[in-house]
Amino acid sequence: EIVMTQSPATLSVSPGERATLSCRASQSVSSNLAWYQQKPGQAPRLLIYGASTRATGIPARFSGSGSGTEFSLTISSLQSEDFAVYYCQQYNNWPRTFGGGTKVEIK
Amino acid sequence: QVQLQESGPGLVKPSQTLSLTCTVSGGSISSGGYYWSWIRQHPGKGLEWIGYSYYTGSTYYNPSLKSRVTISVDTSKNQFSLKLSSVTAADTAVYYCAREGGQHLDYWGQGTLVTVSS
Repeated sequence: EIVMTQSPATLSVSPGERATLSCRASQSVSSNLAWYQQKPGQAPRLLIYGASTRATGIPARFSGSGSGTEFSLTISSLQSEDFAVYYCQQYNNWPRTFGGGTKVEIK
Repeated sequence: QVQLQESGPGLVKPSQTLSLTCTVSGGSISSGGYYWSWIRQHPGKGLEWIGYSYYTGSTYYNPSLKSRVTISVDTSKNQFSLKLSSVTAADTAVYYCAREGGQHLDYWGQGTLVTVSS
């Protein structure tokens, strides 16, 4: 199976600052990568698919990039509601696999 | 707007079978084009993909769980279900049902906590 590795595990950021999260795949997943946001007690919410396409209703401050094995999610100016855990997921191969998550916390 | 809702026992005894149902509203399972999926999350941990069933009954399971998992659909009730046999404490988790359109998981249920304990 494809192993997804996210870094850092925790990112401490001040509101208004930029945050960049990384995700690496153990083999190429082309652009078949999604990002999800999860807040405590809630189900994950789709943010980005196709590595760079924002899902419906997702603010423009969220952007994704990358292809192959290296991907990133950037939040251009962190808002209070953005502090959460973020997961990447590949859907190029079965089984689908997720990264371990990056927690974005208030600095 | 598609909505998914998990239901089932919140407590299962060790060695027994965990059974959950996901009811889909706002869309028909039998319309095709989607993989009806289960994902779980151990307490305080990341996400683990369990498997899917297509409306035809075709399935694919995570090899790590394959020997114990069955996912099935009931198109007449617009539901799909998860059965996980021979459970242990390691199967304690929040279980989510979700829809995948062959790509990303676009709709998720709210999740249900299943605890394995005697």
